[in-house]
Order: sequence, then structure tokens, then C-alpha cells
Amino acid sequence: AQSVTQPDIHITVSEGASLELRCNYSYGATPYLFWYVQSPGQGLQLLLKYFSGDTLVQGIKGFEAEFKRSQSSFNLRKPSVHWSDAAEYFCAVGGPSNDYKLSFGAGTTVTVRA
Amino acid sequence: SQTIHQWPATLVQPVGSPLSLECTVEGTSNPNLYWYRQAAGRGLQLLFYSVGIGQISSEVPQNLSASRPQDRQFILSSKKLLLSDSGFYLCACELAGDTDTQYFGPGTRLTVL
Repeated sequence: AQSVTQPDIHITVSEGASLELRCNYSYGATPYLFWYVQSPGQGLQLLLKYFSGDTLVQGIKGFEAEFKRSQSSFNLRKPSVHWSDAAEYFCAVGGPSNDYKLSFGAGTTVTVRA
Repeated sequence: SQTIHQWPATLVQPVGSPLSLECTVEGTSNPNLYWYRQAAGRGLQLLFYSVGIGQISSEVPQNLSASRPQDRQFILSSKKLLLSDSGFYLCACELAGDTDTQYFGPGTRLTVL
């Protein structure tokens, strides 16, 4: 069975500081991995995805993520956060072995302080 | 590009009342469609998905049902709401030219009192 663990429920970061959100997955083959962002009361917006190829993936809003098979991780990073990055972030895993259905982590809430 | 509409945006319903939430998609044809529920402080739970008109797969047995009467319309229903049905309901779609990636609508906030 596939699953995702986001170990950090809440992270507080200063504006301009770097951000890293952790994601660990469980999947029997090569996974399809996603990061989404959700602002309060809104739907989810896709930040980036990994299917294959280069393990460092660039996304929108200056985010990037690195797939590390040996660690079963897909951590999200941003070098310098902006106040508008305050939101909830979800990691998700899917793939052909489960009909491409996604399993989501519980999310990490990011607070940005001035 | 595709646009996903959901309505209503918010809904407050008494226990035991019926429910109908609608999701429509523009800008694509024959998309795979999904209904998720997001409870407070939790991740997303897949409720139903559909690969075509009239084709519904249920992931979690409960008092909700789904229907797909048209290619780009996906409806979530209940005959009698429970308190535990409260949550944020999200519709998602996969595009014909961008399979395996789900795009989400704005969501419906349902409160059952």
C-alpha cells in the first residue's frame, strides 16, 4: 500500500529565510510524487511533480524538490520565503501500481513571520 | 487551460437533510474526475473517482454517493447527512493531455449541524 508521511505539522520561518518541508513516502515501485499548496479556504494548487528523470524538480513560485530513492523522500525547498508563502503544503504519492490514485500526507502548515 | 467550478462554495445543512454538491470542468474533454474530503487538520481522503459518464468507483463506504451524468459534470450526493459529513469537499480532474496529474477546484465548505 502507498502512503505519505509529513513529519512536521507546523513550521514557522522568518521572511527571507530558507524553507524545507519533509516528505517520506511508501510505494512499491517508482512513485509519482507531487507537492500541492493550499491557502485558507481554497483548493489545492500544484507546485511541482516528479515522474522520472532528473531528481531535482523545479516548480512554480520558486519552489524545488528533490527525489531521493534511497531515503524514500521528496523534500520541498525554497531558498527565500515570502509572506505570501504562508499556507498548508501537501505531499502526495501515486503511480501505476494503484491506478494512479493519489495518497496525501496530513499536511504541513507554514507560518511566515516578518 | 482547464477550469474547475464547484458550487456552492459554502453550505450549512441540518443533520438528516439531503446533499447535492456539483463540480463542472471547462476546457477539456473526457477527464478523470475525483471527489475528496478534507476534515479539519487532516489530509485529503479520496471518496469517489470516475473515468467516464456513468462510471463511478467508491473508495470509502459511507452514506455519500456520486454520479456523472455528463462528461464534465460530477455530483456528490447524500440522502441523509450526518454530523461526520462536515468538511471541505474538493473536486479534482486529470486532463486528457496531462494524465496522472490532478488539478483541484476551489472546494465546498460543508457544515452539518
